Amino acid sequence: AQTVTQSQPEMSVQEAETVTLSCTYDTSESDYYLFWYKQPPSRQMILVIRQEAYKQQNATENRFSVNFQKAAKSFSLKISDSQLGDAAMYFCAYFDSGGSNYKLTFGKGTLLTVNP
Amino acid sequence: DTGVSQDPRHKITKRGQNVTFRCDPISEHNRLYWYRQTLGQGPEFLTYFQNEAQLEKSRLLSDRFSAERPKGSFSTLEIQRTEQGDSAMYLCASSLGGRSSYEQYFGPGTRLTVT
Repeated sequence: AQTVTQSQPEMSVQEAETVTLSCTYDTSESDYYLFWYKQPPSRQMILVIRQEAYKQQNATENRFSVNFQKAAKSFSLKISDSQLGDAAMYFCAYFDSGGSNYKLTFGKGTLLTVNP
Repeated sequence: DTGVSQDPRHKITKRGQNVTFRCDPISEHNRLYWYRQTLGQGPEFLTYFQNEAQLEKSRLLSDRFSAERPKGSFSTLEIQRTEQGDSAMYLCASSLGGRSSYEQYFGPGTRLTVT
């Protein structure tokens, strides 16, 4: 079974600075997607960034970028120029696109605090 | 269509009572998923539908839980004889089919508190 591990329960960053959130995963599959989702307090989960496993190039979305190390099964999220609105719980998630199981498997999350 | 909606947003019930939650997916999405999120944890998969067919159920979905999607549109999740351990956020998500299934859009969730 696939597992997703986020080893940082909490992180904090100063406004305008850069922070990196870590995620490792375990799978025997070769065709999959990895995601970072953001869940602000009392608000719904939204997709931040997506990485296809077959793509070597790291995904980037504005201030958000990933460092995808397939051999190491590592998928970290870098937030540049942190803003107060980035404060939220961040979840790393895995999706096996090669099988018939269409579920997302999530890590336990990292609570990000942004200090003014 | 503005996204996935869930009703109610909050539900407080006494142990032993039955509760039912509703999810309305994005209209063109034929796949619908239910997840449960307990405090300090990430969401965990419960079940999913393709149109009206329930195709997979997690071991987390005990026989007190039942989900339906009668016409392939909205879905309901019922919990019978609620227990305190059922207290959690219940999240619904929807997606298109095929390889686009990875792109799941989440609703705001229903927070259940069992007293």
